[in-house]
Amino acid sequence: SQKIEQNSEALNIQEGKTATLTCNYTNYSPAYLQWYRQDPGRGPVFLLLIRENEKEKRKERLKVTFDTTLKQSLFHITASQPADSATYLCALAFSGGYNKLIFGAGTRLAVHP
Amino acid sequence: NAGVTQTPKFRVLKTGQSMTLLCAQDMNHEYMYWYRQDPGMGLRLIHYSVGEGTTAKGEVPDGYNVSRLKKQNFLLGLESAAPSQTSVYFCASRIAGEDFFGPGTRLTVL
Repeated sequence: SQKIEQNSEALNIQEGKTATLTCNYTNYSPAYLQWYRQDPGRGPVFLLLIRENEKEKRKERLKVTFDTTLKQSLFHITASQPADSATYLCALAFSGGYNKLIFGAGTRLAVHP
Repeated sequence: NAGVTQTPKFRVLKTGQSMTLLCAQDMNHEYMYWYRQDPGMGLRLIHYSVGEGTTAKGEVPDGYNVSRLKKQNFLLGLESAAPSQTSVYFCASRIAGEDFFGPGTRLTVL
């Protein structure tokens, strides 16, 4: 069965540093991968989408890489700020069924001043 | 645009009671989804719809039913609630690979 793994432990970093979150998957050939931000008590908010034929995508301070050989995506936040503190979810879409999403459990990021 | 809205925000049910959760979107999206989110687990897909009048089962459909009579609304029903259905429920709609989530409904079944 498909499995998506994100670091279950919280990531604590200092303001201004680059945060790097990992998403690994098995038994899967996704059509694309998404990253979301979720704040406590709120719904996920879409951040970035990267397709299987893309290696890297950038949006402002965010960068996502996608290695289909390693079956891994890395999500980077450069020049991190306390306002970036949240839980970040990765989700994979597979083309066999209307691009239904499978989500990882998320990694909590805490950026300290 | 209000985006995706969900009603109610909170609900407490007793085992065996029924209820309907309403999801509405004003973005004219074809695809809509219902998920549940439990602690330590990823969002799990319950049911989804690819257009008005269509529904399909997701990963965890047992104990739930859905209807999509109007394009803008996607209803999730619990016919006989069980404590295992205590969860936070999220609705989402999609356009061009970007999914928009509602604020969630926190449901407790006693």
